[in-house]
Amino acid sequence: SQQGEEDPQALSIQEGENATMNCSYKTSINNLQWYRQNSGRGLVHLILIRSNEREKHSGRLRVTLDTSKKSSSLLITASRAADTASYFCATSRPGANSKLTFGKGITLSVRP
Amino acid sequence: GAGVSQSPSNKVTEKGKDVELRCDPISGHTALYWYRQSLGQGLEFLIYFQGNSAPDKSGLPSDRFSAERTGGSVSTLTIQRTQQEDSAVYLCASSLGGLPYEQYFGPGTRLTVT
Repeated sequence: SQQGEEDPQALSIQEGENATMNCSYKTSINNLQWYRQNSGRGLVHLILIRSNEREKHSGRLRVTLDTSKKSSSLLITASRAADTASYFCATSRPGANSKLTFGKGITLSVRP
Repeated sequence: GAGVSQSPSNKVTEKGKDVELRCDPISGHTALYWYRQSLGQGLEFLIYFQGNSAPDKSGLPSDRFSAERTGGSVSTLTIQRTQQEDSAVYLCASSLGGLPYEQYFGPGTRLTVT
C-alpha cells in the first residue's frame, strides 16, 4: 500500500525556475528519501533525511521534513531541462527492515 | 564500481509460463530488495534479504512468487504460472546494510505477460 502521497502529481516549469514538490505520509518513520526516475526505469537516490533532521541540502536540492505534520518537501533550485523526470518520496518505518514504501510520484517537466 | 545489474532487461512470456529474473547487487552490499512497479499499483516492496537473516517476504503478492539469494550476492526472483497482472517492471536494489541507508537501484526488468 502507498505510504507517501506527493503533490502536485505533475509540474511544468521554465528552465531556471525553482520546483517545489511535496510529500505527505501516514505513519512514524525512520527516514524519508527522495528518488528520481527517468524514462520509467531505474531509480536514482537523491537525498535521505532522518526523522530527527529538519532540513538537508545537496547541491541544488533542499529537503525539509516536518514530522509533526508528516510531510516533506523537495526544492530544486535553478531547474534545468535535465531535471525532467519523475520524483518519488519513500519512507522507511521503524521495525520494517528498512524496506521503502513509495508515493505515487510527481512528473516534473522543465521547459528549455 | 559497477552498479546493480539486472537481467534480462525485457521479458515477454505467455500466461502460465514460469519466469526467472536475476539481480547482481553492488559488491559488498549486504542488503538486497525487490520491488515491482506497475501503472495501477505504483512502486511496491516485494522481498528483502539482509545477510544470513531470514528474508522478509511480506510484500510477495502470492505463493507464485519466490526469491532466493545465493552466497549473499546474486538473487533470483521466480514467478510461477505467470498471469497478465504480473506484467510490470521488477526493480532490484541493494544497500550497505539493514540500517536506513540509501538504496541503489538496478535498471529493472520489464515483464510482459501475454
